[in-house]
This record gives sequence, structure tokens and C-alpha cells, in this order.
Amino acid sequence: GENVEQHPSTLSVQEGDSAVIKCTYSDSASNYFPWYKQELGKGPQLIIDIRSNVGEKKDQRIAVTLNKTAKHFSLHITETQPEDSAVYFCAASKARDSSYKLIFGSGTRLLVRP
Amino acid sequence: EAQVTQNPRYLITVTGKKLTVTCSQNMNHEYMSWYRQDPGLGLRQIYYSMNVEVTDKGDVPEGYKVSRKEKRNFPLILESPSPNQTSLYFCASSPGTRTPYEQYFGPGTRLTVT
Repeated sequence: GENVEQHPSTLSVQEGDSAVIKCTYSDSASNYFPWYKQELGKGPQLIIDIRSNVGEKKDQRIAVTLNKTAKHFSLHITETQPEDSAVYFCAASKARDSSYKLIFGSGTRLLVRP
Repeated sequence: EAQVTQNPRYLITVTGKKLTVTCSQNMNHEYMSWYRQDPGLGLRQIYYSMNVEVTDKGDVPEGYKVSRKEKRNFPLILESPSPNQTSLYFCASSPGTRTPYEQYFGPGTRLTVT
């Protein structure tokens, strides 16, 4: 079955710097890759997603890139702010998977130091 | 406000005492799912439902039951809880066939089984 690996498990950056979180997936049939942000005491919240027919997607300070050949995708946060501190999860899913199941990575705890 | 609600948010119980965690969404979503979150493992799907009266197992269904009698509700039932079911549980919903992969998560239920 699908397996998603996520690195690093923790990431500490200075406010204003960029942060990059990387994920690799095992199933070449996966074609949907969302990123979720989880703040303390809350459920995961979708922040950006990308489908396999697109190589890059941006939304203000957040961008996601996808390399289908290498089977990896990354989250890029520029000009980080303290409110970006949270746990970030990547996930993968397949179009033909009728369960709409998301396979999640193990998470990255991001700390933005003021 | 469009949301997924879960109750209770916190629960401490003893081994073998049946419990139910409720989940409700007000977005008329067809798809609903339960996940458990454990440290270092990300989120893993327990059960999902494509529509009323349609449910199926996810990756870790052992020890759990679900039902989908109404579109808005998707309760998670632990008939005989055990300590290895101590975890953080999330309910999620998705519009279904139109945008099947954008899942919206509830706030979570932290369960401790002693």
C-alpha cells in the first residue's frame, strides 16, 4: 500500500526566513497531495493542495512543488511568521481509490522564533 | 458556520466500558471518515462512509464500529475499549463526488482508556 515519509520531524527557523518540508510517496498512482496545518488543540486544516497534472502551486507565502518522477513533493513557506508555528502534515491520495483515503506523513513540528 | 463537531472533546474511561464519540457536520457532505492520531504515526483512517448506510473499513478498523443512519452524523463506537485505543480521534467530512479529496476535520476527541 501507499506509504508517505515526511522530513524533517522538527524544524526551527528565525522569523522572516523560509521553511521547507519534504515528503516522498511510494505509490506512483497517487495524484492528489494536500498539506494540512494543525495548531495546538485543533484539527488539521487544509492550507494548500496540488494534483499530479501540476508541478507547482502558490498561495501568497505558501507554495507546493511536485516531482512525479522522483515521487516527492515539498511545502515552502516564505517570510515565516510566529503564527506559522504548528505541526504540518503532508498526505497522498489516489483518484481511483473510492475510499478517498488520505495517507498521511508523520508530521513536522515547525517553530518560528521571533 | 460550516463545521464538523465532535463530542466529547475529552474522555477518560476504563477497559471494557462501551463508549460512543459523536460526529456531526452541517455542510451536507456525502463523505465522512474517522482517523486516529498517534505520536510519530500521523493520522490513520479507521472507517469511512461514502453516504447514508454505506460504510467501509479503513486501515485500522479493529475494535471500532460506525454507523451512518443520517447524512450529517457519523458516530464512532468502541464496544469494549482497550488501552491501545488511547489516542486522539478526528472526524472528517468531504463534499464527495464533486471535490472528493478536500477533507474538513473536526476539533478532535482525546480518549484515554485505563
